[in-house]
Amino acid sequence: AQSVTQPDIHITVSEGASLELRCNYSYGATPYLFWYVQSPGQGLQLLLKYFSGDTLVQGIKGFEAEFKRSQSSFNLRKPSVHWSDAAEYFCAVGAGGGATNKLIFGTGTLLAVQP
Amino acid sequence: GAVVSQHPSWVICKSGTSVKIECRSLDFQATTMFWYRQFPKQSLMLMATSNEGSKATYEQGVEKDKFLINHASLTLSTLTVTSAHPEDSSFYICSARRDRGGEQYFGPGTRLTVT
Repeated sequence: AQSVTQPDIHITVSEGASLELRCNYSYGATPYLFWYVQSPGQGLQLLLKYFSGDTLVQGIKGFEAEFKRSQSSFNLRKPSVHWSDAAEYFCAVGAGGGATNKLIFGTGTLLAVQP
Repeated sequence: GAVVSQHPSWVICKSGTSVKIECRSLDFQATTMFWYRQFPKQSLMLMATSNEGSKATYEQGVEKDKFLINHASLTLSTLTVTSAHPEDSSFYICSARRDRGGEQYFGPGTRLTVT
């Protein structure tokens, strides 16, 4: 069965420090992978996605993610975190026969940023 | 563009009553809308997928008679929780998609509390 695991429930980093949020997936075929950010009172916003091609994907707000098939991972990174990055981050895999027919989400990682 | 709204943002209802949640795509036509449920500290779980003018497709374990979904137009879908019980208290999120394979755009969610 398809699934997404985000091992870190809560992460705290200092402003300006680098960030890596972990995501592991279980999916039989080539996965469609997504990272979303959820801020209070706002809908989930797509940060980046991987469908095929270059395994290092650039997204909005300075985020990037790397698809590693051998590790079934799609970790999200940012070289320098800003206070406004504090939010909850969700990794998702697209299932159901199409990239966005059915999204299966991880449990999320809550990011806190210390001044 | 690609804004999705939900109304209400929060609602409290008494056990046994029904409550309707609206999901609107404000600046695009959505051929498909999705309804998710999010429990505290858990991931978003897809409840159902609805295409305009068609009956919704419910995920396994979701009671279709309890969670009525209507997608009457290309910009509006509604979720009605019938005969609500305290265990239905949750955060309900909708998303909308222009066309197959396109990105899902998420609404800000509706917090339902059943007393």
